[in-house]
Amino acid sequence: GENVEQHPSTLSVQEGDSAVIKCTYSDSASNYFPWYKQELGKRPQLIIDIRSNVGEKKDQRIAVTLNKTAKHFSLHITETQPEDSAVYFCAAGSNQFYFGTGTSLTVIP
Amino acid sequence: EAQVTQNPRYLITVTGKKLTVTCSQNMNHEYMSWYRQDPGLGLRQIYYSMNVEVTDKGDVPEGYKVSRKEKRNFPLILESPSPNQTSLYFCASGQFFNSPLHFGNGTRLTVT
Repeated sequence: GENVEQHPSTLSVQEGDSAVIKCTYSDSASNYFPWYKQELGKRPQLIIDIRSNVGEKKDQRIAVTLNKTAKHFSLHITETQPEDSAVYFCAAGSNQFYFGTGTSLTVIP
Repeated sequence: EAQVTQNPRYLITVTGKKLTVTCSQNMNHEYMSWYRQDPGLGLRQIYYSMNVEVTDKGDVPEGYKVSRKEKRNFPLILESPSPNQTSLYFCASGQFFNSPLHFGNGTRLTVT
């Protein structure tokens, strides 16, 4: 099956700085790569996703890049704000999804 | 309001006592799935369903059962719960199998 690795497990940044979270996957058949944000005590919620036929996607301060050859994809958050503090999960798959183990992001005011 | 509804939110039970966690979605989604979330392990898929009467094992199906008799409902059944099934469980649905997932609020299960 698919194996998704996510790094780093924890990340602290100053407010206004950028944050980058990286994921690798093993199954070349994976074609959908979503990112979810989970605030403390709440459900995961989709923040951005990318499909295998696209290399980059941006939504305001959030962007995701995908390198199919190297089998890795990354989440970029620019101009971070305290409300960006949460756990972020990447996922990869087609009909069955495998999640990374999560990155706890802390934005220091 | 479009939503995925899970019940109960909290459940404490004893080893071996059968239980069911219900999940219902009102978005006419084809795809539904169950995950368990444990510290340091992320979200692991238990079972998923592409459509009515179609279910498949995920990564950690042992000790769980599901059924998809209607499009909107996807209950998770633990026939004989054990302490290692103590976890936070999420139900999720998506329009199709590779579309954004909408998660329920979660069920925190404790098996003593």
